Amino acid sequence: EPEVTQTPSHQVTQMGQEVILRCVPISNHLYFYWYRQILGQKVEFLVSFYNNEISEKSEIFDDQFSVERPDGSNFTLKIRSTKLEDSAMYFCASSLEETQYFGPGTRLLVL
Amino acid sequence: AQRVTQPEKLLSVFKGAPVELKCNYSYSGSPELFWYVQYSRQRLQLLLRHISRESIKGFTADLNKGETSFHLKKPFAQEEDSAMYYCALRQTGANNLFFGTGTRLTVIP
Repeated sequence: EPEVTQTPSHQVTQMGQEVILRCVPISNHLYFYWYRQILGQKVEFLVSFYNNEISEKSEIFDDQFSVERPDGSNFTLKIRSTKLEDSAMYFCASSLEETQYFGPGTRLLVL
Repeated sequence: AQRVTQPEKLLSVFKGAPVELKCNYSYSGSPELFWYVQYSRQRLQLLLRHISRESIKGFTADLNKGETSFHLKKPFAQEEDSAMYYCALRQTGANNLFFGTGTRLTVIP
């Protein structure tokens, strides 16, 4: 059964550095999402992407964040200048219709 | 604004006992409700959604619009049901999900 994959599984970075989190959605899916979960807190929506553009974004998704689908298979989340509070588990998801399929997550630690 | 509340962070039941994981929501429109489950070291996966009215792994959930609830129930808990359970809401016309804080269910053998 096809699955959403994410790389890396863990990422440690220094505050102020740029990070790129990568996701490969399920191949025939049309909608792509990023969520994050700060330790001990709820899963929070960041952004959704459809037809090569952002369709929805939350207040969390400010100018420090960007998403891209560079080559038709990968879906990336870039954080330009990481802050301590960006430390979280980042989940990618994709869907064809209503049901969203989640990746295993990337744990980001900003020092 | 929409909100999903799962009042219990932790819930322990004995194997074979009934289990109910509570979920209440706040949303002025007509929501779509989901239960996602995360087993140890695995990814979030859909357990069930209210519009399909299915029973998955013995779990059921009924949307009660009067009480704005979508509680997850199973009559006889199994050890393999031990996991983190998240209730989620999707607004009309939107794709993103709003999650509750989750309930960690432990089934005691």
